[in-house]
This record gives sequence, structure tokens and C-alpha cells, in this order.
Amino acid sequence: DAGVIQSPRHEVTEMGQEVTLRCKPISGHNSLFWYRQTMMRGLELLIYFNNNVPIDDSGMPEDRFSAKMPNASFSTLKIQPSEPRDSAVYFCASSLSSGRITGELFFGEGSRLTVL
Amino acid sequence: AQSVTQLGSHVSVSEGALVLLRCNYSSSVPPYLFWYVQYPNQGLQLLLKYTTGATLVKGINGFEAEFKKSETSFHLTKPSAHMSDAAEYFCAVSEGGTYKYIFGTGTRLKVLA
Repeated sequence: DAGVIQSPRHEVTEMGQEVTLRCKPISGHNSLFWYRQTMMRGLELLIYFNNNVPIDDSGMPEDRFSAKMPNASFSTLKIQPSEPRDSAVYFCASSLSSGRITGELFFGEGSRLTVL
Repeated sequence: AQSVTQLGSHVSVSEGALVLLRCNYSSSVPPYLFWYVQYPNQGLQLLLKYTTGATLVKGINGFEAEFKKSETSFHLTKPSAHMSDAAEYFCAVSEGGTYKYIFGTGTRLKVLA
């Protein structure tokens, strides 16, 4: 079975440009997470979806960040406008959750974003 | 509030030596505890997890960890290090198994020939 698929793997853009990161979770998983990884702050949860509904977006840094999950097999994380401090590796993860219990997280390979 | 502390951001061991990576946690409810491994330019992979029951948990690649409630610890061990174990290791806690995972800052393991 294919794992979590993220695209692009690498993105270099200039400050002010719009960035869209994409994620395809594992088929059958009902929970989806977006994380950001930096040297300074480690792994931070940005947003959590359950059954395609955003449950917790308290980790989204500011209004420049938005995430959608239009269906069970696709999610996007958008940054508009991008800033150099957004440079990081962004991970998507999915899991099969039951009630309040979240199962094992399966991570994609990440999207490395560099904003010049 | 829950938190995770990993002692030592870098650990070096000789090939064949014992691997010990330390993790301490705090949680106001029974924790679910995890160790993940990250190889360069890859996502995190689950090594092992503790939810309930037996406190000694065995994972993949010969790793194991012991949940010690009295010490609030969940240290990761492997009897004999292999070159392929060189990676970054993350301890994580989830309060009661909910989606709110908190990850430690990671320990980079180097294996010397």
C-alpha cells in the first residue's frame, strides 16, 4: 500500500509568493495532520483534521497560513504571502483514529520549503 | 500540560555497543508514549509504542523501551548498535492517546565503526 504522498518535495520561492503544499493520506485513514519542522522549534502541529473537518488549527502561525481537506484523499496547506521565516520542512501525516484514540501516525517524506 | 524531554541532542556509540536514548515525559493523564526514527530527508517512522499493559515494549530493528511510571521515563535501548541505526530519534507523548502528540527535540545517534 502506498504511504502518505506529499508534493512538492522541494520548493524554493521568493518572499511574497504563494506556496501550496499537497498531501494524499493513506487510503482508509480518517485523521490528517500537518506538522512543521525547524531546527529552532522542532516538530510543531499546525492543524489536525478528522473525517475531513478541521478540529484544531491552533498551531497555524497566522492568517497567511490556511489548510483545506476537500475530501478524504487530499489536503493542501497554503501560505500566502510567504516570508523567509516560513522556511522549514512541512510534514503531512495520517492515521486511523477510533473515538478519542489516535492511531499510529504515518508520515510523508516532507516538503522542504525555502523562501528567499 | 504534557511535555517531553530528551536528554542529549547528540549521542555517539561504537558499532556493537549498547544504545541508550533517554526520554522523560510529563502528563496529567495516562500517557501513550512513542519512539519515532527519522532518516535523512525522510519522514518519521514509528519504532515502538506504549499504550497500556506490558511496560517493556519491543519494536522494530531490535529496539525496545520500558515505561517507568515512577520515574516518568521511557528510555529507548538496543543491545548492539549497527551502522544502519544512525538517524535522529524522537520521543513523543500523547495524553490519553488523543491527537495532541508532543514531540521531543530529538536525539541524533551516530554509530562509529
